[in-house]
Amino acid sequence: GAGVSQSPSNKVTEKGKDVELRCDPISGHTALYWYRQSLGQGLEFLIYFQGNSAPDKSGLPSDRFSAERTGGSVSTLTIQRTQQEDSAVYLCASSLARGSVGRTDTQYFGPGTRLTVL
Amino acid sequence: DQQVKQNSPSLSVQEGRISILNCDYTNSMFDYFLWYKKYPAEGPTFLISISSIKDKNEDGRFTVFLNKSAKHLSLHIVPSQPGDSAVYFCAAVSKNAGNMLTFGGGTRLMVKP
Repeated sequence: GAGVSQSPSNKVTEKGKDVELRCDPISGHTALYWYRQSLGQGLEFLIYFQGNSAPDKSGLPSDRFSAERTGGSVSTLTIQRTQQEDSAVYLCASSLARGSVGRTDTQYFGPGTRLTVL
Repeated sequence: DQQVKQNSPSLSVQEGRISILNCDYTNSMFDYFLWYKKYPAEGPTFLISISSIKDKNEDGRFTVFLNKSAKHLSLHIVPSQPGDSAVYFCAAVSKNAGNMLTFGGGTRLMVKP
């Protein structure tokens, strides 16, 4: 079946502009996560959606970052007034369900969006 | 404050030999550990996992060992194949933090033919 898809695959923007990154999770997956990987770094958690619950925004680095998930499926990560330090690969993942951690909670990642802020 | 650390940024192994990738963690609340493999321009793909109630989990050529007292886990790949060349990320989940993953910095494995 179809995996997690993200668009665009690459985005180059100028400092100060707003950007929107899109994630289409695997159909039926109720949990959706955003991570980012800066150059030479590991993956850093940003935000987590589970069903209709309020999202866990504890990983967002600043109030310039926001995300929404419409209809429990597609998610958009928005970065306002981009800065050069926002340059990174932004990865989206989805999983079947939250709860006790087990195989069904394995997160499946999309290919990422490479954001470059000039 | 990195809670999950992979101290070796790279590892080079001959084809057919064993690859051992190491990971250390500091948060005693972590109760589930995973290894992901990442090829360039692709998202990470799940490889193998282990619950904190176990000390070993094996899946084909891949075995993960967990030493809770040392807060250390390792991934063994044997025999290593050139197609295993990728970046390997160790990740951990905390029982108090839902299902979000805390990742290490990754180790680039190069398997030479």
